[in-house]
Amino acid sequence: SQTIHQWPATLVQPVGSPLSLECTVEGTSNPNLYWYRQAAGRGLQLLFYSVGIGQISSEVPQNLSASRPQDRQFILSSKKLLLSDSGFYLCAWDRGSPLHFGNGTRLTVT
Amino acid sequence: GENVEQHPSTLSVQEGDSAVIKCTYSDSASNYFPWYKQELGKRPQLIIDIRSNVGEKKDQRIAVTLNKTAKHFSLHITETQPEDSAVYFCAARSNDYKLSFGAGTTVTVRA
Repeated sequence: SQTIHQWPATLVQPVGSPLSLECTVEGTSNPNLYWYRQAAGRGLQLLFYSVGIGQISSEVPQNLSASRPQDRQFILSSKKLLLSDSGFYLCAWDRGSPLHFGNGTRLTVT
Repeated sequence: GENVEQHPSTLSVQEGDSAVIKCTYSDSASNYFPWYKQELGKRPQLIIDIRSNVGEKKDQRIAVTLNKTAKHFSLHITETQPEDSAVYFCAARSNDYKLSFGAGTTVTVRA
């Protein structure tokens, strides 16, 4: 069966520090991979998606970037965090339907 | 792109009563409509989904209906229980395979 791993679960970072969140999927090949952000009490905002290695599409302009160095690995990064980057970050995957989410990373920028 | 609107934003029901959440979508090419439940601090989890070639689907106390002509779909929860309290998200997928989510409905079941 397929599983998705996302880490860390929580993270507190100062403004201006770098960020690296990692997500891996097991049990499938060539998945579509996604990064979503959820602000407190808000909906799901799609940040990036990838249909293959090295292929990244950005949905909204922002302080973040994404990379897919391997088929089942998706990384979310920032060179300098802003206060507004705080939120709940969710990695997700699918191959068609349905979409499966990781457990999420709660990021607090102080 | 697809635009999904979800109503109401909050819903409070007495235990045992039914809850209904409604969503509309804009792209007539959308063909897949999942519903997710998100408990506090947890990830969204799929609870039911429906494809455009089906008008209704039921799974125990949960049902989803789809009206393609009107471009709306609804989630029905019958005999609500305290554990049904959560945030529910509808979504729609069009030809570009990405899911567009509604803004969410916070459901509170009063004991």
